[in-house]
Amino acid sequence: NAGVTQTPKFQVLKTGQSMTLQCAQDMNHNSMYWYRQDPGMGLRLIYYSASEGTTDKGEVPNGYNVSRLNKREFSLRLESAAPSQTSVYFCASSEALRLAAFFGQGTRLTVV
Amino acid sequence: QKEVEQNSGPLSVPEGAIASLNCTYSDRGSQSFFWYRQYSGKSPELIMSIYSNGDKEDGRFTAQLNKASQYVSLLIRDSQPSDSATYLCAVNLDTGNQFYFGTGTSLTVIP
Repeated sequence: NAGVTQTPKFQVLKTGQSMTLQCAQDMNHNSMYWYRQDPGMGLRLIYYSASEGTTDKGEVPNGYNVSRLNKREFSLRLESAAPSQTSVYFCASSEALRLAAFFGQGTRLTVV
Repeated sequence: QKEVEQNSGPLSVPEGAIASLNCTYSDRGSQSFFWYRQYSGKSPELIMSIYSNGDKEDGRFTAQLNKASQYVSLLIRDSQPSDSATYLCAVNLDTGNQFYFGTGTSLTVIP
């Protein structure tokens, strides 16, 4: 039972490049989330998906897009990376909104 | 005012002591409260969930919720060096569907 799996674990991008972060969960959870974590800022929600087929903006959605591909998978896309998007990205899932979320191992992204 | 506030610490306690971590939140209507532990370079790990006023105990951990005063705390009894980590408070504010996290309290347990 892997829980929440993110790929890749590390990535370096040049400014303006695009990439997609992948996330999959095997806990049959309905809700999924993408967070970023920056020093002194804590975890901030980028986008979330309450259930398959729905997505909503979180606290810091600008510069990102998401796709809830199916119940298991929720991807995060950076269309044109900027140095301000250098961060650690975490995917998480929960049985439903307002219930405890379980996190993946994170993706450390550097944009140069 | 931030939605969820924690003292950043660092908090240092000797091994075997009780560590007390506090968190306040802005939305009086909040319903769901969580404590996570995060080791350096790792992902947050759920320790406790609490939804109603009072105390909830799980092993060496006790979460305390006081909705009238808008705070939630975590007590760690018999602290061990392995408890040294950053502890994150998360609150599901009544105003929306998202969780807000505090910036975390760094705890060091001294052997």
